[in-house]
Amino acid sequence: GAVVSQHPSRVICKSGTSVKIECRSLDFQATTMFWYRQFPKQSLMLMATSNEGSKATYEQGVEKDKFLINHASLTLSTLTVTSAHPEDSSFYICSADAMEGVAFFGQGTRLTVV
Amino acid sequence: DAKTTQPTSMDCAEGRAANLPCNHSTISGNEYVYWYRQIHSQGPQYIIHGLKNNETNEMASLIITEDRKSSTLILPHATLRDTAVYYCIVRAHTGGFKTIFGAGTRLFVKA
Repeated sequence: GAVVSQHPSRVICKSGTSVKIECRSLDFQATTMFWYRQFPKQSLMLMATSNEGSKATYEQGVEKDKFLINHASLTLSTLTVTSAHPEDSSFYICSADAMEGVAFFGQGTRLTVV
Repeated sequence: DAKTTQPTSMDCAEGRAANLPCNHSTISGNEYVYWYRQIHSQGPQYIIHGLKNNETNEMASLIITEDRKSSTLILPHATLRDTAVYYCIVRAHTGGFKTIFGAGTRLFVKA
Protein backbone atom coordinates (compact mmCIF):
# COMPACT_ATOMS: atom_id res chain seq x y z
CA GLY A 1 0.00 0.00 0.00
CA ALA A 2 0.89 3.66 -0.16
CA VAL A 3 3.25 5.05 2.44
CA VAL A 4 3.04 8.32 4.31
CA SER A 5 6.01 9.18 6.48
CA GLN A 6 5.93 11.68 9.30
CA HIS A 7 8.89 13.18 11.12
CA PRO A 8 9.76 13.49 13.93
CA SER A 9 7.92 10.79 15.83
CA ARG A 10 8.53 12.53 19.15
CA VAL A 11 9.56 16.04 20.05
CA ILE A 12 9.94 17.90 23.30
CA CYS A 13 10.20 21.66 23.15
CA LYS A 14 10.24 24.57 25.54
CA SER A 15 7.24 26.79 25.95
CA GLY A 16 7.36 29.71 23.52
CA THR A 17 9.38 27.97 20.84
CA SER A 18 8.18 26.68 17.47
CA VAL A 19 8.15 23.12 16.21
CA LYS A 20 7.97 21.89 12.63
CA ILE A 21 6.47 18.51 11.70
CA GLU A 22 6.98 17.05 8.24
CA CYS A 23 4.63 14.77 6.33
CA ARG A 24 5.77 13.06 3.14
CA SER A 25 4.00 10.81 0.68
CA LEU A 26 6.77 8.42 -0.30
CA ASP A 27 5.44 6.60 -3.33
CA PHE A 28 2.61 8.77 -4.62
CA GLN A 29 1.80 12.40 -5.16
CA ALA A 30 -0.70 14.19 -2.99
CA THR A 31 -2.15 17.53 -3.95
CA THR A 32 -4.09 17.46 -0.70
CA MET A 33 -2.95 16.36 2.73
CA PHE A 34 -4.72 16.56 6.05
CA TRP A 35 -3.58 17.32 9.57
CA TYR A 36 -5.19 15.95 12.70
CA ARG A 37 -4.57 16.20 16.41
CA GLN A 38 -5.53 13.65 19.00
CA PHE A 39 -5.72 14.01 22.77
CA PRO A 40 -5.47 10.99 25.07
CA LYS A 41 -8.44 8.64 24.87
CA GLN A 42 -10.09 10.77 22.22
CA SER A 43 -10.63 10.38 18.50
CA LEU A 44 -8.75 12.17 15.76
CA MET A 45 -9.85 15.75 15.20
CA LEU A 46 -9.29 17.26 11.78
CA MET A 47 -7.37 20.51 12.04
CA ALA A 48 -6.78 21.58 8.47
CA THR A 49 -6.58 20.65 4.83
CA SER A 50 -3.23 21.29 3.20
CA ASN A 51 -3.38 22.19 -0.49
CA GLU A 52 -0.31 22.05 -2.72
CA GLY A 53 0.51 25.47 -4.06
CA SER A 54 -2.23 27.30 -2.20
CA LYS A 55 -3.33 28.27 1.28
CA ALA A 56 -4.46 25.68 3.74
CA THR A 57 -8.06 25.61 4.89
CA TYR A 58 -8.63 25.33 8.62
CA GLU A 59 -11.46 23.76 10.55
CA GLN A 60 -13.56 25.94 12.77
CA GLY A 61 -11.81 26.83 15.99
CA VAL A 62 -8.29 26.07 14.75
CA GLU A 63 -5.98 29.09 14.88
CA LYS A 64 -4.32 29.47 11.51
CA ASP A 65 -1.62 31.76 12.89
CA LYS A 66 -0.70 29.19 15.50
CA PHE A 67 -0.66 26.18 13.23
CA LEU A 68 1.14 27.18 10.06
CA ILE A 69 0.81 24.78 7.17
CA ASN A 70 2.96 24.76 4.06
CA HIS A 71 2.47 22.38 1.14
CA ALA A 72 5.31 23.31 -1.16
CA SER A 73 5.46 20.16 -3.26
CA LEU A 74 3.29 17.22 -4.25
CA THR A 75 4.97 15.01 -1.68
CA LEU A 76 5.58 17.26 1.32
CA SER A 77 3.42 19.16 3.76
CA THR A 78 4.67 20.75 6.96
CA LEU A 79 2.88 21.82 10.11
CA THR A 80 4.57 24.37 12.32
CA VAL A 81 3.27 24.89 15.82
CA THR A 82 4.28 28.43 16.64
CA SER A 83 4.91 29.76 20.15
CA ALA A 84 4.02 26.40 21.59
CA HIS A 85 2.47 26.16 25.03
CA PRO A 86 1.79 23.14 27.23
CA GLU A 87 -1.83 22.98 26.03
CA ASP A 88 -0.50 22.32 22.51
CA SER A 89 0.96 19.05 23.72
CA SER A 90 -0.79 16.38 21.72
CA PHE A 91 -0.44 13.65 19.10
CA TYR A 92 -0.36 15.14 15.60
CA ILE A 93 -1.11 12.97 12.57
CA CYS A 94 -1.08 13.67 8.85
CA SER A 95 -2.75 11.82 6.01
CA ALA A 96 -2.98 11.78 2.25
CA ASP A 97 -5.42 10.05 -0.08
CA ALA A 98 -4.16 7.41 -2.46
CA MET A 99 -6.49 5.48 -4.77
CA GLU A 100 -10.26 5.41 -4.38
CA GLY A 101 -10.26 7.84 -1.51
CA VAL A 102 -8.28 5.53 0.77
CA ALA A 103 -6.44 7.66 3.30
CA PHE A 104 -2.96 6.69 4.40
CA PHE A 105 -1.67 8.08 7.65
CA GLY A 106 1.69 8.99 9.02
CA GLN A 107 3.02 7.39 12.16
CA GLY A 108 2.12 10.44 14.19
CA THR A 109 4.20 12.97 16.14
CA ARG A 110 4.00 13.13 19.91
CA LEU A 111 4.59 16.77 20.88
CA THR A 112 5.34 17.62 24.49
CA VAL A 113 5.73 21.28 25.43
CA VAL A 114 7.47 21.88 28.75
CA ASP B 1 -20.10 13.61 5.53
CA ALA B 2 -22.58 11.04 6.78
CA LYS B 3 -22.47 10.31 10.47
CA THR B 4 -21.73 6.80 11.68
CA THR B 5 -22.69 5.06 14.91
CA GLN B 6 -20.57 2.33 16.45
CA PRO B 7 -20.59 0.57 19.81
CA THR B 8 -18.14 2.07 22.26
CA SER B 9 -16.35 -1.18 23.01
CA MET B 10 -16.42 -4.90 22.30
CA ASP B 11 -14.61 -7.97 23.54
CA CYS B 12 -13.56 -10.96 21.49
CA ALA B 13 -11.79 -14.20 22.35
CA GLU B 14 -8.53 -14.87 20.58
CA GLY B 15 -9.03 -17.11 17.57
CA ARG B 16 -12.70 -16.28 17.23
CA ALA B 17 -14.29 -14.00 14.67
CA ALA B 18 -14.74 -10.36 15.65
CA ASN B 19 -17.82 -8.74 14.15
CA LEU B 20 -17.86 -4.96 14.42
CA PRO B 21 -21.12 -3.23 13.44
CA CYS B 22 -21.59 0.26 12.07
CA ASN B 23 -24.75 2.21 11.33
CA HIS B 24 -24.70 4.85 8.61
CA SER B 25 -28.36 5.44 7.86
CA THR B 26 -27.79 8.81 6.14
CA ILE B 27 -25.19 7.57 3.67
CA SER B 28 -25.42 9.15 0.23
CA GLY B 29 -25.46 7.22 -3.01
CA ASN B 30 -21.90 8.19 -3.96
CA GLU B 31 -20.38 7.55 -0.54
CA TYR B 32 -18.27 4.52 0.25
CA VAL B 33 -17.80 2.79 3.60
CA TYR B 34 -14.21 2.75 4.88
CA TRP B 35 -12.77 1.00 7.89
CA TYR B 36 -9.58 1.96 9.67
CA ARG B 37 -8.04 0.91 12.93
CA GLN B 38 -5.67 2.62 15.31
CA ILE B 39 -3.34 0.75 17.58
CA HIS B 40 -2.22 2.72 20.60
CA SER B 41 0.14 5.61 19.81
CA GLN B 42 0.23 4.91 16.08
CA GLY B 43 -1.40 6.49 13.04
CA PRO B 44 -4.60 4.87 11.77
CA GLN B 45 -4.26 1.92 9.41
CA TYR B 46 -6.51 1.30 6.43
CA ILE B 47 -8.38 -2.02 6.54
CA ILE B 48 -10.98 -2.23 3.80
CA HIS B 49 -13.61 -0.26 1.93
CA GLY B 50 -16.68 -0.87 -0.22
CA LEU B 51 -19.67 0.69 -1.94
CA LYS B 52 -22.45 -1.89 -1.87
CA ASN B 53 -20.99 -5.31 -2.52
CA ASN B 54 -19.35 -7.41 0.13
CA GLU B 55 -15.58 -7.13 0.10
CA THR B 56 -12.78 -9.32 1.39
CA ASN B 57 -9.04 -8.85 1.61
CA GLU B 58 -6.21 -10.40 3.57
CA MET B 59 -7.14 -8.50 6.70
CA ALA B 60 -10.91 -8.60 6.91
CA SER B 61 -14.31 -8.89 5.28
CA LEU B 62 -16.83 -6.10 4.89
CA ILE B 63 -20.53 -6.87 4.74
CA ILE B 64 -22.78 -4.01 3.63
CA THR B 65 -26.54 -4.37 3.91
CA GLU B 66 -28.61 -4.10 0.77
CA ASP B 67 -30.04 -0.72 1.79
CA ARG B 68 -26.47 0.41 2.66
CA LYS B 69 -27.60 1.79 5.99
CA SER B 70 -25.30 -0.43 7.99
CA SER B 71 -22.22 -2.58 7.64
CA THR B 72 -20.17 -5.10 9.58
CA LEU B 73 -16.42 -5.52 9.63
CA ILE B 74 -15.37 -9.11 10.23
CA LEU B 75 -11.95 -10.14 11.47
CA PRO B 76 -12.16 -13.89 10.88
CA HIS B 77 -9.64 -15.08 13.45
CA ALA B 78 -8.86 -12.34 15.90
CA THR B 79 -5.43 -12.22 17.51
CA LEU B 80 -4.14 -10.20 20.44
CA ARG B 81 -2.53 -7.83 17.94
CA ASP B 82 -5.99 -6.91 16.64
CA THR B 83 -6.73 -5.05 19.88
CA ALA B 84 -7.28 -1.49 18.66
CA VAL B 85 -9.86 1.21 18.06
CA TYR B 86 -11.80 0.55 14.86
CA TYR B 87 -13.31 3.42 12.92
CA CYS B 88 -16.11 3.18 10.37
CA ILE B 89 -16.19 6.17 8.03
CA VAL B 90 -18.37 7.09 5.08
CA ARG B 91 -17.19 9.55 2.50
CA ALA B 92 -16.86 10.13 -1.22
CA HIS B 93 -14.25 7.91 -2.82
CA THR B 94 -12.46 10.53 -4.85
CA GLY B 95 -9.30 12.03 -3.43
CA GLY B 96 -9.22 15.22 -1.45
CA PHE B 97 -12.38 14.75 0.57
CA LYS B 98 -12.11 14.97 4.32
CA THR B 99 -11.91 11.79 6.37
CA ILE B 100 -13.86 12.58 9.53
CA PHE B 101 -13.49 10.28 12.52
CA GLY B 102 -16.17 9.40 15.01
CA ALA B 103 -15.50 7.80 18.35
CA GLY B 104 -14.94 4.31 16.95
CA THR B 105 -15.17 0.92 18.67
CA ARG B 106 -12.48 -0.17 21.10
CA LEU B 107 -11.96 -3.88 20.46
CA PHE B 108 -10.31 -5.95 23.16
CA VAL B 109 -9.08 -9.35 22.06
CA LYS B 110 -8.58 -11.59 25.07
CA ALA B 111 -6.48 -14.73 25.38
